[in-house]
Amino acid sequence: EVELVQSGAEVKEAGESLRISCRGSGYTFTNNWIGWVRQMPGKGLQWVGSIDPSDSYPNFSPSFRGRVIISVDKSISSAYLQWSSLKASDTAIYYCVRRHAKSETFDVWGQGTVVTVSS
Amino acid sequence: QSVLTQPPSVSAAPGQKVAISCSGTSSNIGNNYVSWYQQLPGTAPKVLIYDNDKRPSGVPDRFSGSKSGTSATLGITGLQSGDEADYYCGTWDTSLSDVAFGGGTKLTVL
Repeated sequence: EVELVQSGAEVKEAGESLRISCRGSGYTFTNNWIGWVRQMPGKGLQWVGSIDPSDSYPNFSPSFRGRVIISVDKSISSAYLQWSSLKASDTAIYYCVRRHAKSETFDVWGQGTVVTVSS
Repeated sequence: QSVLTQPPSVSAAPGQKVAISCSGTSSNIGNNYVSWYQQLPGTAPKVLIYDNDKRPSGVPDRFSGSKSGTSATLGITGLQSGDEADYYCGTWDTSLSDVAFGGGTKLTVL
């Protein structure tokens, strides 16, 4: 079964750093781009960015470029989303997503990681 | 303000059908494939329709997608209480170099 399993919920203070993770299983990890989607409380979906696990080439939404880092460790089929200095406005659920190999769609979603940042 | 425009809510009785619209421009829907995602309460979204009208395996044929010009539509027939969810359209926006999502439509099965 193809699956993306994310790390657990995080509670942080503003200004702290954070890295959340996403581990893929059930498929060849380097065959599909991995991305992140943000959902703020009670709001809709926003694409953060994606990365090609085969060469670690990232692509960011203009809204998030420079604010987050996306990385991957293909040896353990894992992708990461990290912040160097969190803000209260980063409070959200972050979903790890797999991009379909032949389509722009996000065909597999992780269970989500709740990030809460207090000011 | 979302790049793609969806109605905030739709409702219909069990067994009926409903259509959810998604309106965009030539830089997004007009020249790119559209996906539809279903988010049941308290769960992660899942893809219902991709490439405008394709259903992943396991998605019932009660769900259908179509696209015309700069608009797309998700159709759901034989409504069930389990279809109550938020539905999002999504596509690539070439001008913004960004993935565009609609604001979401809450479906209520009366």
